[in-house]
Amino acid sequence: DVKVTQSSRYLVKRTGEKVFLECVQDMDHENMFWYRQDPGLGLRLIYFSYDVKMKEKGDIPEGYSVSREKKERFSLILESASTNQTSMYLCASSLFGTGDNQPQHFGDGTRLSIL
Amino acid sequence: AQTVTQSQPEMSVQEAETVTLSCTYDTSESDYYLFWYKQPPSRQMILVIRQEAYKQQNATENRFSVNFQKAAKSFSLKISDSQLGDAAMYFCAYRSGRDDKIIFGKGTRLHILP
Repeated sequence: DVKVTQSSRYLVKRTGEKVFLECVQDMDHENMFWYRQDPGLGLRLIYFSYDVKMKEKGDIPEGYSVSREKKERFSLILESASTNQTSMYLCASSLFGTGDNQPQHFGDGTRLSIL
Repeated sequence: AQTVTQSQPEMSVQEAETVTLSCTYDTSESDYYLFWYKQPPSRQMILVIRQEAYKQQNATENRFSVNFQKAAKSFSLKISDSQLGDAAMYFCAYRSGRDDKIIFGKGTRLHILP
């Protein structure tokens, strides 16, 4: 089974701090994704990556950056955390599958609170 | 741009009954894939069922089946013999045949009444 591991289930940080959310997958997937999930808004894509050192903006990249130095690891960075970034963050991975019905596999999520 | 709409924010069904969750999508593409994901209270999102747009036959996975109406751009999920463990948030999702991004609907929270 694919395993996507997010480093923290719960995280509390202060406004202005630099925050790192880490995600690791163990199935050699090319694609990795970061979403935030808010009540009534569903999942919104922040950033995704098709390969090492590659990144593309999703629908809501403002206030975030990402890093993918190794294939198995995809980090989400909040450069200067703000209270409106309090949310559930979900990491996902998938095989590169253009032309195929590849689903995404998700981590357990990180509940981030910015005080 | 593609969109996915789930018009039912919450639904309830009696245990052992059948329930249908609706999903519509908007796209100009002919090649795409559709998914239903389940997110139980433990939060990990898991795949329930998938459908390729080029297949006319509706996908089925045990008690879960879909009604895929391509012309109407509708992709509903039917859960038969509902069980308490089916209580979760359900997300409908669309994936283009051109890239690997998946677009999610806003979700339907399903309650199972004992």
